[in-house]
Amino acid sequence: EAQVTQNPRYLITVTGKKLTVTCSQNMNHEYMSWYRQDPGLGLRQIYYSMNVEVTDKGDVPEGYKVSRKEKRNFPLILESPSPNQTSLYFCASSPGSGPGEQYFGPGTRLTVT
Amino acid sequence: QKEVEQNSGPLSVPEGAIASLNCTYSDRGSQSFFWYRQYSGKSPELIMFIYSNGDKEDGRFTAQLNKASQYVSLLIRDSQPSDSATYLCAAHVANDYKLSFGAGTTVTVRA
Repeated sequence: EAQVTQNPRYLITVTGKKLTVTCSQNMNHEYMSWYRQDPGLGLRQIYYSMNVEVTDKGDVPEGYKVSRKEKRNFPLILESPSPNQTSLYFCASSPGSGPGEQYFGPGTRLTVT
Repeated sequence: QKEVEQNSGPLSVPEGAIASLNCTYSDRGSQSFFWYRQYSGKSPELIMFIYSNGDKEDGRFTAQLNKASQYVSLLIRDSQPSDSATYLCAAHVANDYKLSFGAGTTVTVRA
């Protein structure tokens, strides 16, 4: 089944404890992206990747890191999480090198206390 | 000013009626437009995309684009309770790698 997977789906952590949210797609898509969704603010892009080893900042990159060492994987790293990073996170991918028609993962609900 | 604005809603329509959702965008370089549906607690899923001025129909959904006026709309005909969801409008500027989303409009279809 063609899909985007994310792990973990739910995570409660404490301020400052490094964490990684994994994202993997099995559709051989070039483009991958991370979003956060907050009430009233909609989806905001954190980072995106046009291809392996090519990443760039979205609209809200502060406090996040990403890497794209393999085409299928695009992990999101929070080196020192803070409470304002409590949010619902989505990974997405699309064919081609641009955002185009994106397919979203199931989401990761992160709470930082 | 947000790049993509949607009417705030919520929008409540009776079953069988037409639901009309509007979206405006500020960047005239926007070339492609997408409508995503998001059920409560689920991830967004693409339902329509439109690149050219005019109407595009897909089943009960019609997307309308007017680049001169910088608006995009989505019509849902014969609305069903299963259409109750939040609808997100997104715009893509040519040669950019980002997709800008509106905050979404929540639609409730009353049986």
